[in-house]
Amino acid sequence: TQLLEQSPQFLSIQEGENLTVYCNSSSVFSSLQWYRQEPGEGPVLLVTVVTGGEVKKLKRLTFQFGDARKDSSLHITAAQPGDTGLYLCAGGENSGTYKYIFGTGTRLKVLA
Amino acid sequence: DAGITQSPRHKVTETGTPVTLRCHQTENHRYMYWYRQDPGHGLRLIHYSYGVKDTDKGEVSDGYSVSRSKTEDFLLTLESATSSQTSVYFCAISESMTRGRETQYFGPGTRLLVL
Repeated sequence: TQLLEQSPQFLSIQEGENLTVYCNSSSVFSSLQWYRQEPGEGPVLLVTVVTGGEVKKLKRLTFQFGDARKDSSLHITAAQPGDTGLYLCAGGENSGTYKYIFGTGTRLKVLA
Repeated sequence: DAGITQSPRHKVTETGTPVTLRCHQTENHRYMYWYRQDPGHGLRLIHYSYGVKDTDKGEVSDGYSVSRSKTEDFLLTLESATSSQTSVYFCAISESMTRGRETQYFGPGTRLLVL
């Protein structure tokens, strides 16, 4: 079974600070997704990256897929309280049909 | 927001009793999934469906069964609930499952407590 480890597990920072969340595996994935989940709700997709080395930016969020497609990072610039939530990475594996293996999650709290 | 509802949203039951959770979608998406979310484990796939009456197992399917008699409904049944099945259950849908780039849309979750 492929595993995705996220670090750190918990992160509490002040508004305006920068942060990076990591998603690592020993396995190769066909794609990598990042989700954000708020309390009492389901996860919501932020981005999908599919090519090794790919970088995508969404406003203050920068996502990178590792060259070997085994790892990914999420960087947030100038964090805001609205960024607070649980961030989940999910690796896509192709075993005939695609299924997604979810990481263990990073819980972020941004203090005003 | 994708039209996905889950019922019930909260349930408390006793060990050994059967429990059925319902997922209903209005998007006419072909693929539907059931996940459970537990601290330290992220989301784990229980079962998924790729069409009416077509289902397959995920990584944590023991103790669970599913049924899909209509495109819009996907039921998850715990035949005899155990305390280890206390969790938050999420339903998700997607249009396809073949390119590795699909968006999964998640429902609001069902919080299940087995005493």
